[in-house]
Amino acid sequence: DQQVKQNSPSLSVQEGRISILNCDYTNSMFDYFLWYKKYPAEGPTFLISISSIKDKNEDGRFTVFLNKSAKHLSLHIVPSQPGDSAVYFCAASARRSGAGNMLTFGGGTRLMVKP
Amino acid sequence: EPEVTQTPSHQVTQMGQEVILRCVPISNHLYFYWYRQILGQKVEFLVSFYNNEISEKSEIFDDQFSVERPDGSNFTLKIRSTKLEDSAMYFCASIAGVIDTQYFGPGTRLTVL
Repeated sequence: DQQVKQNSPSLSVQEGRISILNCDYTNSMFDYFLWYKKYPAEGPTFLISISSIKDKNEDGRFTVFLNKSAKHLSLHIVPSQPGDSAVYFCAASARRSGAGNMLTFGGGTRLMVKP
Repeated sequence: EPEVTQTPSHQVTQMGQEVILRCVPISNHLYFYWYRQILGQKVEFLVSFYNNEISEKSEIFDDQFSVERPDGSNFTLKIRSTKLEDSAMYFCASIAGVIDTQYFGPGTRLTVL
């Protein structure tokens, strides 16, 4: 089951530069997308979300872009900081379907920001 | 800031034993979830719970699993007879309303020997 896929298992970026994390999905029923950040031995921490009626949402250094026709979303972090080093998960839900808002996760991308 | 808590942080059990994982969701939240992450794999949905009943469950959530909200604050996941393949991190999550963002607890690491 690969309804949500993050094709890059890892990404290394220099401090101060932009980090771009990508996510693809296949289920057309998905209408809400989220990015979570996870440190070892901790639960996923919510970062930012986007509804399918939008194509961009921004919160401080974090921006999520949604391309519905390509079934693709990306998370941009500008500028990247060493504290951003973590595993980033893309997740999706089909809220309109009344399915109880269950989340389907991608496999994660490990971001390493070098000082 | 309110947060979801989970106990224990680590549970070691023998195969075939029953385990109960506990979660205290954020106090005004109404929807509750369990997810698990086997080492090296994706975070997978197990079950959602609303109004004292299961609203959705995945194929992973078979008859060995059950959930309960025994006292209005705790939300538990019981595995009746653990198997080696149940070893994973188990995460609880909650939301106030069905269109809100899910907030996750720190997880319980379950090790089945």
